[in-house]
Amino acid sequence: AQSVSQHNHHVILSEAASLELGCNYSYGGTVNLFWYVQYPGQHLQLLLKYFSGDPLVKGIKGFEAEFIKSKFSFNLRKPSVQWSDTAEYFCAVAGGGADGLTFGKGTHLIIQP
Amino acid sequence: DTAVSQTPKYLVTQMGNDKSIKCEQNLGHDTMYWYKQDSKKFLKIMFSYNNKELIINETVPNRFSPKSPDKAHLNLHINSLELGDSAVYFCASSQDTNTGELFFGEGSRLTVL
Repeated sequence: AQSVSQHNHHVILSEAASLELGCNYSYGGTVNLFWYVQYPGQHLQLLLKYFSGDPLVKGIKGFEAEFIKSKFSFNLRKPSVQWSDTAEYFCAVAGGGADGLTFGKGTHLIIQP
Repeated sequence: DTAVSQTPKYLVTQMGNDKSIKCEQNLGHDTMYWYKQDSKKFLKIMFSYNNKELIINETVPNRFSPKSPDKAHLNLHINSLELGDSAVYFCASSQDTNTGELFFGEGSRLTVL
């Protein structure tokens, strides 16, 4: 079975700081990787995804993530955060087939103005 | 035009009651899901249907019964509600079971008193 580990449960940053949220997964085969964002009181929205090809993927709102296969990692980055980035961020992995999407426990990001 | 819509958005009820949450998607997707998000924001898959057939049935009490009348609808019925059922329930859909990219509804917040 697949599993996802997010390193930080709570992160507090000031505006304009750089962001990196860690994500490691465990799965024996080929995976598709995702980052979803949940703004306060809202549903989950896709930030970016990796299926194959260039391991550095760019998403919406200036976010990017790098897939490092040897480290089983898919860390999320943003060079300069804004107050509006305050949200819950979820890393997720899909191994294909009937397993569905497995989520990490989420990282609560707070950006202070 | 909401792609994945759930009703009701909020549900407050007494222990022991039976309630249903409805979900509809207009994306033409083949696969639909129910996820439970607890108070710590942890997301866990409950059920998955592909073309009206159940393909994932995680360890949830049998008081929870999904029903898919057609591939655009996946409803969740809960019998004999308990305090621990209080959570936000998210419906989601995906094109198929392979890619794992999910589109989420806005969630239904269930509070059991």
